[in-house]
Amino acid sequence: ELKVEQNPLFLSMQEGKNYTIYCNYSTTSDRLYWYRQDPGKSLESLFVLLSNGAVKQEGRLMASLDTKARLSTLHITAAVHDLSATYFCAVDNGGANSKLTFGKGITLSVRP
Amino acid sequence: DAEITQSPRHKITETGRQVTLACHQTWNHNNMFWYRQDLGHGLRLIHYSYGVQDTNKGEVSDGYSVSRSNTEDLPLTLESAASSQTSVYFCASSEIPGQGRTEAFFGQGTRLTVV
Repeated sequence: ELKVEQNPLFLSMQEGKNYTIYCNYSTTSDRLYWYRQDPGKSLESLFVLLSNGAVKQEGRLMASLDTKARLSTLHITAAVHDLSATYFCAVDNGGANSKLTFGKGITLSVRP
Repeated sequence: DAEITQSPRHKITETGRQVTLACHQTWNHNNMFWYRQDLGHGLRLIHYSYGVQDTNKGEVSDGYSVSRSNTEDLPLTLESAASSQTSVYFCASSEIPGQGRTEAFFGQGTRLTVV
């Protein structure tokens, strides 16, 4: 059974500083997704990582995937208040189809 | 623009009643999913479908059922609502891997309260 772990579950960040959050998973997969959720809202796709070594960047966020280590990292550069949200990673273990297993999410809060 | 819509957005129901949550997508996606979101648990898969007439149980399927009679819709039914089913429910859809964009797109969610 695929398990997806995210840590930490809550992170208080200071504006302007850099941080890294992690997503570990337990079985082989080369399809991993990062989503953002604002309070009371739906999930918004951030990054799609489809191969070992994949790296994607959008603004102050950069995501990478190491399928051998079963690890994805989300790096935050110079945190700003707008990045405050909950971030989920989801791993696809559906084989020819698709079935996402989600981590519990990491809630980021950026303080001045 | 293609989208995925859920209805109702909010519902309060009584214990023991049957409740159906609707999900409609215009992406023409083969794959559709229902998740529930609870504090401390993230999103957990309830049921999913890979096409018309196909349905599968997820990790928390007890007390729920789905049916897929067309590509666009995957309604979720709570056979006899229980307080433990108070949650926020999300529907999602995605394409078959290799057929274009692979990420799942989510509806706006339905907040269900069972009293």
